Amino acid sequence: EAGVVQSPRYKIIEKKQPVAFWCNPISGHNTLYWYLQNLGQGPELLIRYENEEAVDDSQLPKDRFSAERLKGVDSTLKIQPAELGDSAVYLCASAGDRGNEQFFGPGTRLTVL
Amino acid sequence: KQEVTQIPAALSVPEGENLVLNCSFTDSAIYNLQWFRQDPGKGLTSLLLIQSSQREQTSGRLNASLDKSSGRSTLYIAASQPGDSATYLCAIQGGSEKLVFGKGTKLTVNP
Repeated sequence: EAGVVQSPRYKIIEKKQPVAFWCNPISGHNTLYWYLQNLGQGPELLIRYENEEAVDDSQLPKDRFSAERLKGVDSTLKIQPAELGDSAVYLCASAGDRGNEQFFGPGTRLTVL
Repeated sequence: KQEVTQIPAALSVPEGENLVLNCSFTDSAIYNLQWFRQDPGKGLTSLLLIQSSQREQTSGRLNASLDKSSGRSTLYIAASQPGDSATYLCAIQGGSEKLVFGKGTKLTVNP
């Protein structure tokens, strides 16, 4: 069974440019999470989806970040415009049911110059 | 607000040694606790999941325990190997369903 797939794995952009990350969760997993991981820190939740509904986006900086999961499967996280401080690893995770084990993708390492 | 602390921040041991990684949390109203491994530049690999009603879980050379009343979990690694070198992260899932992570313990196992 395929794990969580993310692309791209690496992205280098200049500040003020837009960027988008894509995630395909494990088949059948209804819950999808986007986390942000800064160097030397644990991941922090940005947004959680139950199917196509964003049920927790309280930590998503909505002035520049947006996300969607239109058909309740794949998800896209966008930053526009990117700032230097957005350089980090963006991780996607999925889970089958409430309280179940979360499985993480390899992440996208973003560098903003 | 749930806070998760992992001690030590870094640990270096010789191959073959048994070791314990510690995780403490401030809010005992948890749903489950998950231990992860992260290799440099990689994503997180789930090692063990302990539901709030459980006391421990085992997988191979790994054993994780949970004591909700004291707000503590330990990850025991038996007969450590150089391939165990990685950062180990503890994460708590509470009622909000998001995982709250510690900063991790960076483990180095020397041949």
